Amino acid sequence: GDSVTQMEGPVTLSEEAFLTINCTYTATGYPSLFWYVQYPGEGLQLLLKATKADDKGSNKGFEATYRKETTSFHLEKGSVQVSDSAVYFCALSGDSSASKIIFGSGTRLSIRP
Amino acid sequence: GAVVSQHPSWVICKSGTSVKIECRSLDFQATTMFWYRQFPKQSLMLMATSNEGSKATYEQGVEKDKFLINHASLTLSTLTVTSAHPEDSSFYICSASTGLGNQPQHFGDGTRLSIL
Repeated sequence: GDSVTQMEGPVTLSEEAFLTINCTYTATGYPSLFWYVQYPGEGLQLLLKATKADDKGSNKGFEATYRKETTSFHLEKGSVQVSDSAVYFCALSGDSSASKIIFGSGTRLSIRP
Repeated sequence: GAVVSQHPSWVICKSGTSVKIECRSLDFQATTMFWYRQFPKQSLMLMATSNEGSKATYEQGVEKDKFLINHASLTLSTLTVTSAHPEDSSFYICSASTGLGNQPQHFGDGTRLSIL
């Protein structure tokens, strides 16, 4: 079945460092890909998404490109801030918003001032 | 933007009681709602998918008699954990979808359930 694999955490970086969180997926067809962020004690927020190959999703300085050839959707940010500390989930779903979402295991990110 | 409200945000109760969690879409009609469970420091696991006016579809391994889901209107779905025990303690999150095109699902803020 469909699955998502993302790099294990925790990841600890200094403020203004470059961030990469790797994510690869296995799916039949052409899924939509997402990154969600979960701040401490809160629910999930959609960070960015891409719906087809070569699409780039971006938001709040974060970017991820849908790479069909490598089945990847790595999350990047050029300069992280302390406020970016959270758990990040890579996820995929089918074409419709009524399709269920399959989440990766999550990567905890901590940013040191 | 679209908002999903989940209530209560935190509940503590004794073993053996039943607990109801509500998930409401505040500014859109949610034809489909999803219920997830998240253990500490783990990912979200889909428990069930509910469509308005029909029975929920449960994922493999989820007890339908234990986790009762009702989706009686286009803005409200409820999850009832029946005869809760300490192993049911978890973070429960709902999401709601219009079912239209590729509009994203919207997540509630979650309910932390602690069974003593």
